[in-house]
Amino acid sequence: GQQLNQSPQSMFIQEGEDVSMNCTSSSIFNTWLWYKQDPGEGPVLLIALYKAGELTSNGRLTAQFGITRKDSFLNISASIPSDVGIYFCAGRDPHSGGGADGLTFGKGTHLIIQP
Amino acid sequence: SAVISQKPSRDICQRGTSLTIQCQVDSQVTMMFWYRQQPGQSLTLIATANQGSEATYESGFVIDKFPISRPNLTFSTLTVSNMSPEDSSIYLCSVVSSNSYNEQFFGPGTRLTVL
Repeated sequence: GQQLNQSPQSMFIQEGEDVSMNCTSSSIFNTWLWYKQDPGEGPVLLIALYKAGELTSNGRLTAQFGITRKDSFLNISASIPSDVGIYFCAGRDPHSGGGADGLTFGKGTHLIIQP
Repeated sequence: SAVISQKPSRDICQRGTSLTIQCQVDSQVTMMFWYRQQPGQSLTLIATANQGSEATYESGFVIDKFPISRPNLTFSTLTVSNMSPEDSSIYLCSVVSSNSYNEQFFGPGTRLTVL
């Protein structure tokens, strides 16, 4: 099956700093999704990307679908304390059986903001 | 986006018993899924819940251990059978809404601890 590598595994940053994380896959995806998960909660969808090269923003968050279709990044500008959490990338395989069957998740990036 | 609720939100169970988790969505959805998230880990797809027919299970998951029902377009149940401590995880219901192209949303999760 596909391998999806998410990095970094964790980030320790100061409030106000910008954050960047990325995911790479061993095969192409036709959709990239970025989620944030707070402790005790389910993942919340942040941004969905559907086309190679697509760049989408959601407030202070910006994500891009890589041109090769094998990677995506998420940037957070001017981090604030509520940005703390685990961020997951997820990609969908174009050869899946249909619908969302082929969603593969990265292992997550733990974002920790130091006072 | 679809609003997803799960019951129970958490439970502590004895080894050898079974627990049924319910997932209710506030609107009709095209697809429903069940995921497992073991402590500190990413999300793993258990199965796709199919309306009116048997669920489609991923490799490593079987119907006898994780029976699933989906009687209509807005409701599904997952049963964790004959539990052991290794089944301690967060179990998450997930849907693809008919109104949101390829966007996948998650419920709040059910945190299961098996003693």
